[in-house]
Amino acid sequence: QKEVEQNSGPLSVPEGAIASLNCTYSDRGSQSFFWYRQYSGKSPELIMFIYSNGDKEDGRFTAQLNKASQYVSLLIRDSQPSDSATYLCAVNSWMDSSYKLIFGSGTRLLVRP
Amino acid sequence: GAVVSQHPSRVICKSGTSVKIECRSLDFQATTMFWYRQFPKQSLMLMATSNEGSKATYEQGVEKDKFLINHASLTLSTLTVTSAHPEDSSFYICSATPDGAGGSYNSPLHFGNGTRLTVT
Repeated sequence: QKEVEQNSGPLSVPEGAIASLNCTYSDRGSQSFFWYRQYSGKSPELIMFIYSNGDKEDGRFTAQLNKASQYVSLLIRDSQPSDSATYLCAVNSWMDSSYKLIFGSGTRLLVRP
Repeated sequence: GAVVSQHPSRVICKSGTSVKIECRSLDFQATTMFWYRQFPKQSLMLMATSNEGSKATYEQGVEKDKFLINHASLTLSTLTVTSAHPEDSSFYICSATPDGAGGSYNSPLHFGNGTRLTVT
């Protein structure tokens, strides 16, 4: 069973702080990693994707990937109350003769004003 | 770009009836679309992969006769929940990635807005 693990939280940070969200995955063959944000009652929206080891920055967001440790993280700088949501880590895995996107259970982030 | 439209956004039906959910890629073609289901406070679980012009591929534990998928064109996939029961109440979300973008291997999935199904 290929798995993606996330701490369910909630992770509570004050406004303006850095929020760090972590994710581990079990499939060593995975090559593509995605972070989605999901507000309550809404569908997920893509924040970032990363394919190579190291850091990838996009505005206030930085994704970090370490394939050797099977670990991917998302940093949110200058956190805003509007960032309060559930963040889903997703990993592409080869299963049943095709690539499928496997989601973690999500980490709930709460940014306190 | 890469907009996925899903309809209806919310539906309430009586037990035993069938409900059809439509998923359209508005500005791209998608040979493959994916249907997910999300129960409260749980993550997204892949139900099936919809393939244009061929049969859908269902995940283990998903009843293909209950969840009928039709992918009639490169921009439309439908999911029909047949003989719905209260335990089918959930948030159903479709997703797709544009053809030619590298496939589902490394292309991000774009999600529709979801359909909240309530079976009474």
